Amino acid sequence: QKEVEQDPGPLSVPEGAIVSLNCTYSNSAFQYFMWYRQYSRKGPELLMYTYSSGNKEDGRFTAQVDKSSKYISLFIRDSQPSDSATYLCAMSGSGNTPLVFGKGTRLSVIA
Amino acid sequence: DTEVTQTPKHLVMGMTNKKSLKCEQHMGHRAMYWYKQKAKKPPELMFVYSYEKLSINESVPSRFSPECPNSSLLNLHLHALQPEDSALYLCASSQALLGAQAGASNEQFFGPGTRLTVL
Repeated sequence: QKEVEQDPGPLSVPEGAIVSLNCTYSNSAFQYFMWYRQYSRKGPELLMYTYSSGNKEDGRFTAQVDKSSKYISLFIRDSQPSDSATYLCAMSGSGNTPLVFGKGTRLSVIA
Repeated sequence: DTEVTQTPKHLVMGMTNKKSLKCEQHMGHRAMYWYKQKAKKPPELMFVYSYEKLSINESVPSRFSPECPNSSLLNLHLHALQPEDSALYLCASSQALLGAQAGASNEQFFGPGTRLTVL
């Protein structure tokens, strides 16, 4: 079992839809959870950063962490064509442990 | 300002060339990272510097040589690369590694990358 599992998609939704992106993980030591958006041929852009369990909202984006289920989600409300990108989840434990990335989910929002 | 800059944006080099990639941040971050990313894959960690000292080397071949001349700059020196080394090379920075600085966040901010092609 990989440490972080993320469905690579592609996921195609109509403009205005609510998008749900998810990752599961196996390492119970993970405490820091991040979501990155990466446009084609560009560097990843940090969207959300959460510590431990709970929800965090920023504009149209909501990140949820459920440590008991080892499951994290990113919701995008009122999706726009400009949201079309690859979304990468990443997580790490305490100490100097490197970030572990999911494979990324390719999202297309169709106008 | 959460900007990490990288130069050059694109680089084409032969297998006998020597070149360098450069990364700069002015956020006062004390941890800096090099990643390699192949198409449709997540970034793979290569090196981590903490307070200008090499902290992690993920068994990277010696044809890649990192250097951190000061707290704002990170270089990656390339020599005798192979065509399979062609990839997007990403630099990132964070306030500090966890435990290295009280209260520091380990959020990593990435630069735009250098797209490297080895002929």
